[in-house]
Amino acid sequence: GNSVTQMEGPVTLSEEAFLTINCTYTATGYPSLFWYVQYPGEGLQLLLKATKADDKGSNKGFEATYRKETTSFHLEKGSVQVSDSAVYFCALWNYGGATNKLIFGTGTLLAVQP
Amino acid sequence: NAGVTQTPKFRVLKTGQSMTLLCAQDMNHEYMYWYRQDPGMGLRLIHYSVGEGTTAKGEVPDGYNVSRLKKQNFLLGLESAAPSQTSVYFCASSPGTGGGRTYEQYFGPGTRLTVT
Repeated sequence: GNSVTQMEGPVTLSEEAFLTINCTYTATGYPSLFWYVQYPGEGLQLLLKATKADDKGSNKGFEATYRKETTSFHLEKGSVQVSDSAVYFCALWNYGGATNKLIFGTGTLLAVQP
Repeated sequence: NAGVTQTPKFRVLKTGQSMTLLCAQDMNHEYMYWYRQDPGMGLRLIHYSVGEGTTAKGEVPDGYNVSRLKKQNFLLGLESAAPSQTSVYFCASSPGTGGGRTYEQYFGPGTRLTVT
């Protein structure tokens, strides 16, 4: 079946540090991949997406590349800010699959200290 | 556009009481979803709908019912609340399938429910 595995948090970084949050997936076919972000007390917001192999999604300085050979979609940012502190969710949608569901990872808490 | 809205924002129930959570979207989306979020478990799908008048079970449907009488609204009901239903509930909507679109979901701000 379809599944998403994220690195466990919390991830604690100092401001301006480099960020990587690992995400790997299991799916048949050609899923679309997403990163969502949840700021404290709010709902999830789409951060970026990629719909096919080798696509790079980017937004607000964050990037992730859809790697089919390693079934990965790692989130990166070159210089984090305190305002990036949030929970980050990796997710996949398997078009043409038996279900109409977005499959989420368990989330990774990022805490950025000044 | 308000996007996806949820009412109420907070609620405390006693065991055995019932309540309905309302989700509304103004984006003309076909698909709507109800999730619950619990610490260490990410988001789990309760029920979803692929169009007006349709509903389907997700991963954790027991103890919940839903209705989609109008395209823009998706209601989640708890008939007899239990402490295990203490959680944060999120509604989401998406444009649906077809036309080569990607199926990102748009989330509401959540309802924090405590059952004592």
